Amino acid sequence: GAGVSQSPSNKVTEKGKDVELRCDPISGHTALYWYRQRLGQGLEFLIYFQGNSAPDKSGLPSDRFSAERTGESVSTLTIQRTQQEDSAVYLCASSLGGGGDNEKLFFGSGTQLSVL
Amino acid sequence: QKEVEQNSGPLSVPEGAIASLNCTYSDRGSQSFFWYRQYSGKSPELIMFIYSNGDKEDGRFTAQLNKASQYVSLLIRDSQPSDSATYLCAVYSSASKIIFGSGTRLSIRP
Repeated sequence: GAGVSQSPSNKVTEKGKDVELRCDPISGHTALYWYRQRLGQGLEFLIYFQGNSAPDKSGLPSDRFSAERTGESVSTLTIQRTQQEDSAVYLCASSLGGGGDNEKLFFGSGTQLSVL
Repeated sequence: QKEVEQNSGPLSVPEGAIASLNCTYSDRGSQSFFWYRQYSGKSPELIMFIYSNGDKEDGRFTAQLNKASQYVSLLIRDSQPSDSATYLCAVYSSASKIIFGSGTRLSIRP
């Protein structure tokens, strides 16, 4: 596609419910990142996929968070038993990967998650 | 110690002046460095990339990298009101992933 696509753009859920966020990266981009951005804060690294390598899950804040990626295609971020502290914008970004200039990230528009 | 540190600001600069934004990083094995601009309510967009010590210029923007001191900076010349945004420093670390700082909010006053 022309850019990184994320859905939904907004999600309102009740505390304790599960949510699934989707990211469709730019075609040909082997690297895919998920970040969380709370209001007025920077980007908090969550997880990183590179090709068929094992993902770097070191940023996931708890075992309620998980993510999958099918090959070099779509990724889903799942948050189970949502809490109010999970409310944030979840940003997905992709890059060609391989180091240097190829690591420049292209971001989706994000999913605004609100947990009531 | 945070991996990537920035002064949160806000940094207020008069129109036409030079804005100077700074960033330090802790991972000495970091390889590449990026500056992203984020307007309020929008996603970040790349404005500069640097990987060699020294200066790199692109239009009104200059990125400066000093690996020995582990800092990278961004200079914006002839600042315009449209430059008002949050500037995020990002580092491609030795762990082969990109880590962001918390961002510096820049305000250009007319």
